[in-house]
Formats: sequence, C-alpha cells, structure tokens
Amino acid sequence: SQTIHQWPATLVQPVGSPLSLECTVEGTSNPNLYWYRQAAGRGLQLLFYSVGIGQISSEVPQNLSASRPQDRQFILSSKKLLLSDSGFYLCAWSRLAGVQDTQYFGPGTRLTVL
Amino acid sequence: AQSVTQLGSHVSVSEGALVLLRCNYSSSVPPYLFWYVQYPNQGLQLLLKYTSAATLVKGINGFEAEFKKSETSFHLTKPSAHMSDAAEYFCAVKGLDFGNEKLTFGTGTRLTIIP
Repeated sequence: SQTIHQWPATLVQPVGSPLSLECTVEGTSNPNLYWYRQAAGRGLQLLFYSVGIGQISSEVPQNLSASRPQDRQFILSSKKLLLSDSGFYLCAWSRLAGVQDTQYFGPGTRLTVL
Repeated sequence: AQSVTQLGSHVSVSEGALVLLRCNYSSSVPPYLFWYVQYPNQGLQLLLKYTSAATLVKGINGFEAEFKKSETSFHLTKPSAHMSDAAEYFCAVKGLDFGNEKLTFGTGTRLTIIP
C-alpha cells in the first residue's frame, strides 16, 4: 500500500529565516506530487505540482519554491519567511495524470512564522 | 475555470440527526467531484468521489452524495450523525478542460455534533 510522509509535523520559525519542508511517498513510482497551503479560515490553495523529477509548476507567485530531487521526494523551501507564510502545509500525491484520479494527502506540517 | 461553493462555513447537528453539507459547482464541462474530510491537525481523507459512473455515490463512514446536474450540486449527506463525524469537510472539483491535475477546493464546512 502507498503511504505519504511529511516532516516536520510542526515548525515555529522567525521572520526572515529559511524553510525546508519534506514530503516522501512510499509504495508507488512516478507519482504526481502537490503542495497545498491551508491558511486559517480559508480553503486549500495549490502552490506547486510536479509530474516528474525536476518538473515543477507553480500556481501562485510567492517567496516559496519547490524541488523534486528524487522520484518520490518533494521539497518546499523558502530563503526568507514572511509572516504571511504561516499556515498548514499539505503534500499530496496522485497515481495517474487523469482527472478521475484521486489525490491522497499527507498528515501536514503546521508552520508558524513569528 | 471550475469552482465550488460550500454554503455554510459552520453546520451544527444533533447526534443521530441528518447531516447535510451543501456543495455547488461551476463548470462548463462535465466535472469530477470529490468530498474530503479533515480532522483537527490532520491531512485530508477522501470520503467519496463522483466520476460520472453513477449519480448517487456512497463513501466511507456512512456518507453519500448525489450529483444533480440540473442543480449543479453535489451535497453530502449522512442519515444519522455520530460524534466522530465532527470535522471539517471540503468539496472539490476537477474538470476535463484542465491542462493539469488541479483540484479546486471549496472553503470548507466545519461540522459540529451536539450531544
């Protein structure tokens, strides 16, 4: 069976500090990978998605970036965090490049920027 | 572009009562619709999905949803609420005219169960 991991589970960082969140998927190969952010009182916002190693598409221009150094690893980064970067970050994967396919979500990382 | 609207950011029902969470979608092409549930500080779990095979979709935990094209709705229901159903519920849509596999989510409905 497939599992998706995210770490850390929680993170408190000062404004201006760097960020690295990691997501890994087990039990499948060549998954589509996604990063979402969930801000308080708002829905989920798609930040990045990837259909393969080194292939990253950005949905929203911001001070965040994503990388996919390995097939089942997806990293969300920032060089300098802003207060507005606080939120709940969710990684997701899907098996196929089809509209019917389901996205499966990881447990999330709670980021607080102070 | 596709969009979804969830009516009611907060819904409260008594234990044992009917649960009805509303979702309306906007799409110029046949949509694929999903309901996810999120428990506090956890990721999203798929409840059910509509992929045009049947208009009434049954999901996990006793939930079901009916796709009504004439009303552009995909409301989530459960006949009898249980305390464990307290969570936030998200409706989401994907469309055939997307160039990527982007899910568009509603803003969510927080369900509270009254003992």
